[in-house]
Amino acid sequence: DTEVTQTPKHLVMGMTNKKSLKCEQHMGHRAMYWYKQKAKKPPELMFVYSYEKLSINESVPSRFSPECPNSSLLNLHLHALQPEDSALYLCAGARDLSYEQYFGPGTRLTVT
Amino acid sequence: DQQVKQNSPSLSVQEGRISILNCDYTNSMFDYFLWYKKYPAEGPTFLISISSIKDKNEDGRFTVFLNKSAKHLSLHIVPSQPGDSAVYFCAASAMYSGGGADGLTFGKGTHLIIQP
Repeated sequence: DTEVTQTPKHLVMGMTNKKSLKCEQHMGHRAMYWYKQKAKKPPELMFVYSYEKLSINESVPSRFSPECPNSSLLNLHLHALQPEDSALYLCAGARDLSYEQYFGPGTRLTVT
Repeated sequence: DQQVKQNSPSLSVQEGRISILNCDYTNSMFDYFLWYKKYPAEGPTFLISISSIKDKNEDGRFTVFLNKSAKHLSLHIVPSQPGDSAVYFCAASAMYSGGGADGLTFGKGTHLIIQP
């Protein structure tokens, strides 16, 4: 079983809103990732959690805030986003950092 | 600087024939390579991987070949089927040299179209 689920599937938010994206896996994965994918571009890494500890990606603006409440859940908190942040946000899990990653279906985010 | 390159944005192949997708990389630290298939508005689906200690890995209709000296890998799909039509991403990681926390570096993808 390699299922990673993400909610919501679609999200439209204004620039002053606060929202959260959720990712869930029950495969015992100890590494979890957030990627951002713009149209016709490859996925780009945002954050990595290994055994619930964050590896900070310094190029990600602070308006994106990740959280790993437990080994099965990963959240991405969004605040004061810009229209250029509109993209497909992908969550992935892996057994640990040395294994292949399995992706969820993504959340299509539109910032208006 | 693009570390993983897929130079063919699209590829059209007749059903039943072999599809060959190519990928080049520049970072010598990469030691683990993966291929993902992606449909529009969905997450990438893992297909097959290969570590740098091997030069070939096979799984059903999919075979990945790695040429380390040329920093080149390819994905062969035989025989090609209509359901194979999708965007294929090549990805790389310096996984075994401690770079797993850097995630995957993806190429720009190749849109494979299987014609009936």
